[in-house]
Amino acid sequence: DIVMTQSPDSLAVSLGERATINCRSSQSVLSRSSNKNSLTWYQQKPGQPPKVLIYWASTRESGVPDRFSGSGSGTDFTLTISSLQAEDVAVYYCQHHYSNPNTFGQGTRLEIK
Amino acid sequence: EVQLVESGGGLVQPGGSLRLSCAVSGFTFSRYWMSWVRQAPGKGLEWVANIKRDGSEEYYVDSVKGRFTISRDNARNSLYLQMNSLRAEDTAVYYCAKGGDYWHYGGQGTLVTVSS
Repeated sequence: DIVMTQSPDSLAVSLGERATINCRSSQSVLSRSSNKNSLTWYQQKPGQPPKVLIYWASTRESGVPDRFSGSGSGTDFTLTISSLQAEDVAVYYCQHHYSNPNTFGQGTRLEIK
Repeated sequence: EVQLVESGGGLVQPGGSLRLSCAVSGFTFSRYWMSWVRQAPGKGLEWVANIKRDGSEEYYVDSVKGRFTISRDNARNSLYLQMNSLRAEDTAVYYCAKGGDYWHYGGQGTLVTVSS
């Protein structure tokens, strides 16, 4: 099974500042056939289901503000929020779908400093 | 618009059974893999199971193998999760998800509480 490890577990950032969350997989999630990384970033607020932000590691979902971006390939990935807004307070998860089980990272709690 | 509506949760005693349902609309159900994930109170997300478009393949997390069964009825646009031999550690909100480029979680989930 592929283990997904996020860092840090929690993060406090000032409004308007950059927030960076990392996700590392225990083996590559890059598909050789498609040359795509099977890695998705989600945002979850209390009482709500996860909401997709970024898929294929770097493709922003329609309607997601452009302050959210994803990067990385193979085993190391990053979610960046370029200028933190109050509404970005949430827990962020990465999930792979390269193979079964489609495991999640443990989550990163993002707060305002 | 993709809609996923989970139901069937509730309070059940250890060792008991429940069947969760997920009614979908807004997309051609039979064309997509589907999955269940869960979230224990105050904890992170855990992928539970998924099922191929035609139901011919199923995959489970080790902790539920032999106890849970995922199934689908493409004629009824519905996904199911039969949960047997329930344990306290199965207590969670269960979400269904639509496959594709990513797993789409759109419903509010259904709460399963296993307690005596």
